[in-house]
Amino acid sequence: GAVVSQHPSRVICKSGTSVKIECRSLDFQATTMFWYRQFPKQSLMLMATSNEGSKATYEQGVEKDKFLINHASLTLSTLTVTSAHPEDSSFYICSAVDRVGTDTQYFGPGTRLTVL
Amino acid sequence: GENVEQHPSTLSVQEGDSAVIKCTYSDSASNYFPWYKQELGKGPQLIIDIRSNVGEKKDQRIAVTLNKTAKHFSLHITETQPEDSAVYFCAATGNQFYFGTGTSLTVIP
Repeated sequence: GAVVSQHPSRVICKSGTSVKIECRSLDFQATTMFWYRQFPKQSLMLMATSNEGSKATYEQGVEKDKFLINHASLTLSTLTVTSAHPEDSSFYICSAVDRVGTDTQYFGPGTRLTVL
Repeated sequence: GENVEQHPSTLSVQEGDSAVIKCTYSDSASNYFPWYKQELGKGPQLIIDIRSNVGEKKDQRIAVTLNKTAKHFSLHITETQPEDSAVYFCAATGNQFYFGTGTSLTVIP
């Protein structure tokens, strides 16, 4: 149980284009999902917290207009990187918390974004 | 806010030896402490967790200890195997979720 999937696993795009990453909880309902960014050999950096049916809460320094988050259902959250630039290239990971009320985060497999 | 420190940043052990990774936290309100294993190119996987009302928890070769007074918790891996090689992250959760900086563990066959 507690499986989180992400799609796509890898994406390469040109500068200026937008990329959408999906995060799904496969066998549980998640009221809260989190989006992280990870640079090589570094820890995970929280970008935003996404609650179903409400606006995402962004961490300081994260541009909400650049990283659009939508949590439309209890099993799906999306992150859209708008007008991507090479510096947006990174490993993006989502996680989800079980609706039952635990605080355990289950992570997706990550999405490798490369912006040319 | 919370500050989670993790040591060591890198650790090499011979196969069959034990590995210990330590984390300290600053927020006394933190009450949940998970450990994650991350293999290259993959997302973190929960391997064990402990709550503040418990001092120790064990799952086969993996154990976690918590000292609330000193605000530190440790991951213990016994009888290490090459497949244990990965980056391990601790985390502390109270009102928010804070990751440690990670430990790259290499188990030498």
